[in-house]
Amino acid sequence: AQTVTQSQPEMSVQEAETVTLSCTYDTSESDYYLFWYKQPPSRQMILVIRQEAYKQQNATENRFSVNFQKAAKSFSLKISDSQLGDAAMYFCAYNTDKLIFGTGTRLQVFP
Amino acid sequence: DTGVSQDPRHKITKRGQNVTFRCDPISEHNRLYWYRQTLGQGPEFLTYFQNEAQLEKSRLLSDRFSAERPKGSFSTLEIQRTEQGDSAMYLCASSLEDRAPSEQYFGPGTRLTVT
Repeated sequence: AQTVTQSQPEMSVQEAETVTLSCTYDTSESDYYLFWYKQPPSRQMILVIRQEAYKQQNATENRFSVNFQKAAKSFSLKISDSQLGDAAMYFCAYNTDKLIFGTGTRLQVFP
Repeated sequence: DTGVSQDPRHKITKRGQNVTFRCDPISEHNRLYWYRQTLGQGPEFLTYFQNEAQLEKSRLLSDRFSAERPKGSFSTLEIQRTEQGDSAMYLCASSLEDRAPSEQYFGPGTRLTVT
């Protein structure tokens, strides 16, 4: 069975700085999709970025980028130029029809 | 706004009562998912539909839980004889699936409190 592990329950970053959130997963599949979702306090979950496992190039979306290491089964999220609005729970997820989520990392952004 | 909507947003019920939640997906989406999220945890998959067919149910979905998606549009999730352990946020998501998994769009959730 697939599993997703986020080993950082909480992280903090200063505004305008860069932070990296870690995620590892376990699967025997060779073709799959990975996602990072953001859940702001009392607001709904939104997609931040996605990565197809067959693509070697790391996905980027504006200030958000991933470091996808398929052999190591690692999928970290880098947030550059952090903003106060980035404060939220971040969930790493593996897609196999349904989403399998990690336990999340709470990101605090300090001015 | 044509996002995923859920009703009610909050539900407080006494143990042993039945509750029903509704989810309206994005209109052109053919897949609809239910997840449960407890405090401090990531969402856990419960079940999903492709059109009106329920394709998978998690072992978390005991026989007290039932979900339907008549006509492949909105979906309902019913919990019978609620227990305190059912207290959680129930999330609905929808997606347009072709051949590759696509983004799931989440609703705001229904927070259930069982007293």
